[in-house]
Amino acid sequence: AQTVTQSQPEMSVQEAETVTLSCTYDTSESNYYLFWYKQPPSRQMILVIRQEAYKQQNATENRFSVNFQKAAKSFSLKISDSQLGDTAMYFCAFPRSGNTPLVFGKGTRLSVIA
Amino acid sequence: EPEVTQTPSHQVTQMGQEVILRCVPISNHLYFYWYRQILGQKVEFLVSFYNNEISEKSEIFDDQFSVERPDGSNFTLKIRSTKLEDSAMYFCASIIGPAYGYTFGSGTRLTVV
Repeated sequence: AQTVTQSQPEMSVQEAETVTLSCTYDTSESNYYLFWYKQPPSRQMILVIRQEAYKQQNATENRFSVNFQKAAKSFSLKISDSQLGDTAMYFCAFPRSGNTPLVFGKGTRLSVIA
Repeated sequence: EPEVTQTPSHQVTQMGQEVILRCVPISNHLYFYWYRQILGQKVEFLVSFYNNEISEKSEIFDDQFSVERPDGSNFTLKIRSTKLEDSAMYFCASIIGPAYGYTFGSGTRLTVV
């Protein structure tokens, strides 16, 4: 069964510093998509970044980037120049295949400290 | 940017009452989902809907739950007889394809008292 593991329940980072959130997953699929979602205190789920497994190049969206290691089934999120507004829960997720429902990790609560 | 719209944002209901949670997915999206998140816990899949029928459901989605797309735009989740443990945030999501990511609504906070 596909699973997603986020081993860091909570993390904190100083404003303007860089932080990396880890995620590992398990799948037997060869092609798939991986996502990071942000859930601020408002509890809305906001897509941060996505990665296509067949692409070797790591995805980047402004201050957010991933380190995708397909063989290790690792998909970590790096946040550069952390801002107070980055304080949120971050979930790693991927669909089992195609358009199937997302499987979520348990989340990492990130606090950015001024 | 297109949005998934959910109403109401917050609903309080008495145990045993029926509730209907409403969602308007993005118009050209084809796949629709309901998830729930009990406070402080992970996001759990309930049901997926494609081509006007349920394509997949989890073990949480028992006979107390049902979904409908009554008019081609709304996508509803009904809980027939609510229990205290149904208190959670309920999210609707839709996609056109996984390459574009799953778009979530802002959620409905359901409180059963």
